Amino acid sequence: GEDVEQSLFLSVREGDSSVINCTYTDSSSTYLYWYKQEPGAGLQLLTYIFSNMDMKQDQRLTVLLNKKDKHLSLRIADTQTGDSAIYFCAERAAGNKLTFGGGTRVLVKP
Amino acid sequence: KAGVTQTPRYLIKTRGQQVTLSCSPISGHRSVSWYQQTPGQGLQFLFEYFSETQRNKGNFPGRFSGRQFSNSRSEMNVSTLELGDSALYLCASSLNQGAGEQYFGPGTRLTVT
Repeated sequence: GEDVEQSLFLSVREGDSSVINCTYTDSSSTYLYWYKQEPGAGLQLLTYIFSNMDMKQDQRLTVLLNKKDKHLSLRIADTQTGDSAIYFCAERAAGNKLTFGGGTRVLVKP
Repeated sequence: KAGVTQTPRYLIKTRGQQVTLSCSPISGHRSVSWYQQTPGQGLQFLFEYFSETQRNKGNFPGRFSGRQFSNSRSEMNVSTLELGDSALYLCASSLNQGAGEQYFGPGTRLTVT
C-alpha cells in the first residue's frame, strides 16, 4: 500500500541550509512532490520530480530522490525566516491521486 | 493566469445539514481533485474528476460526493454533516490526468457545530 513518512519538526538558523527528509513505500510512484503550507493557507507547490530522475535543482531548492531506498529529500539553501512553514512531501501513483506525509514543521530562528 | 479558486472560504454548519463546496480550476486545466485536511488524519484524498467523470475515489463514506461540469468547475457535497467533518477542504487542479504539476486552491474551512 501507500505510506509516506516525514519527521515532525526541524529547527534551523537563518542563513543555514535546511534538509527535510521523506520516505515512501509505493514503488510505482510516478511523481514526487514538495508542498509548503503557511498558517491559514492552502498548499503551495514548491517543486516536483519525475521518478526516473535522481536530482532536480530550482533556485534555492534541491530535490534528491533515491528510488532504491524510496527516500526523497528537499534541501533549502540560505534558509530565510519566510521559509518557516509546514512542508509536505507527496507521492503520486495511480491517476492524479496524491498520498501525503504528515508534514514537517520548519522553524527558522534569526 | 488566475490560480485555483474555492468558494466559500469559510462555512459554519450544524450537524445533520448538508453543504456544497465549489472549486474553479486554473483556466485550461481539466482535472480536479479534492482533499480533506484535519489535524488528526492529515491530508486525505477524496476524489478526482476529469472530463466530467469521477476517475478515482478515496476511502470516504457515501455522504461525500462530487461532480464536475463541462467547464471543468467542480463541486463537492457532504450530506448529513457530522462533527468529524470539520476540516479544511482543498481542491487541486492539473492540466490533465498524468500531468506533473498539481496546484492547490486556498481551501474552504468547514466548521460543523
